Amino acid sequence: DIVLTQSPTTLSVTPGETVSLSCRASHSIGTNLHWYQQKTNESPRLLIKYASQSISGIPSRFSASGSGTDFTLNINNVEFDDVSSYFCQQTQSWPRTFGGGTKLELK
Amino acid sequence: EVQLVESGGGLVQPGRSLKLSCLASGFTFSNYGMNWIRQAPGKGLEWVASISSSSSYIYYADTVKGRFTISRDNAKNTLYLQMTSLRSEDTALYYCARHYYSGDGFDYWGQGVMVTVSS
Repeated sequence: DIVLTQSPTTLSVTPGETVSLSCRASHSIGTNLHWYQQKTNESPRLLIKYASQSISGIPSRFSASGSGTDFTLNINNVEFDDVSSYFCQQTQSWPRTFGGGTKLELK
Repeated sequence: EVQLVESGGGLVQPGRSLKLSCLASGFTFSNYGMNWIRQAPGKGLEWVASISSSSSYIYYADTVKGRFTISRDNAKNTLYLQMTSLRSEDTALYYCARHYYSGDGFDYWGQGVMVTVSS
């Protein structure tokens, strides 16, 4: 199985900052990596698909990059509304797996 | 508007069975692969099972293989998850979600249905 390791587990930031969240895969997955945002008591929402492709309706301050085993989600000018958990997921192979998540908090 | 609405959850004793449903609307259900994903209280996301648009391909997580069965009825726009031999570790919020191509992310999710396995 492909293991996805996200870091950090928790990130505390000041509004307006730019942050980077990491997702590392135990084996190469090309760009078959997707990012989700989950606010408290809400369902996950697809944020970025195929490592770097934007999703309609998602604010442009969210961007991502990477391929192979190392992936990054960037959030520019963090806003209060961005307080969420962020998960990566691979669709390179079965079983599909998710990373453990990064919880973004605001100072 | 795309909608996925799960139902069928509840409190069940260990060893018993439960069947979840996910009613889809607002899109052509028969064109999409479907998935079940669960989230234990306070934990992360765990993929459970996937089924292709025509039910030709079905996959399970090892943790549920042999106990859970995913199925769909395209005429009724409904996805199912039959859960048997339930264990306490199956306690979670169960989401259904769709994807188009096999490698796609899950672009729409339901609101989730809670399953609690306890005596």
